[in-house]
Amino acid sequence: DTGVSQNPRHKITKRGQNVTFRCDPISEHNRLYWYRQTLGQGPEFLTYFQNEAQLEKSRLLSDRFSAERPKGSFSTLEIQRTEQGDSAMYLCASMRATTDTQYFGPGTRLTVL
Amino acid sequence: AQTVTQSQPEMSVQEAETVTLSCTYDTSENNYYLFWYKQPPSRQMILVIRQEAYKQQNATENRFSVNFQKAAKSFSLKISDSQLGDTAMYFCAFMNWGSSNTGKLIFGQGTTLQVKP
Repeated sequence: DTGVSQNPRHKITKRGQNVTFRCDPISEHNRLYWYRQTLGQGPEFLTYFQNEAQLEKSRLLSDRFSAERPKGSFSTLEIQRTEQGDSAMYLCASMRATTDTQYFGPGTRLTVL
Repeated sequence: AQTVTQSQPEMSVQEAETVTLSCTYDTSENNYYLFWYKQPPSRQMILVIRQEAYKQQNATENRFSVNFQKAAKSFSLKISDSQLGDTAMYFCAFMNWGSSNTGKLIFGQGTTLQVKP
């Protein structure tokens, strides 16, 4: 059990650029979640996958955001045409669908200049 | 929709003392879980303790225990014998476990706890 990993840990980009983050869940965890956390606040749900299927998307996830989980393994979160308001920590978590505990990765901190 | 409220943005406690963090939630569901997560500065979120709503007995994990009041929709965390390593932001979280179980967590705003030597 190597834990949930996320890459990169930090990303600085200019407004208007596209960025992509990767999350590798704990192996055999069939559910994968993305959350966004702004400074001093609690994480907010963005989207989740069960295996390769994206089953729910928050209204926070605008058209500029897209997430994938090919083959039900790792997941990517892409933000197109970044805006300063996208600056946040993006957290990934995974769990088995039959259990109740999510395990979090270290997050990717995005700064949009 | 479910909501989680933590009304204490910041708290401090002396090392070895006891501190209680408050959390209230709102839901119309009967089957759910409640969690306390800890997020140390610049480190990842880790689970502290969990409570199943159908269990009346309060959960305990070593120095951490909860006071779960289902009717009042209250879920407080008590940390006994506070240690410097307990310094972190603490989040209360709700997970619906009904028929439309998605497993997503709804978090409170967090409480920053500082343990002073």
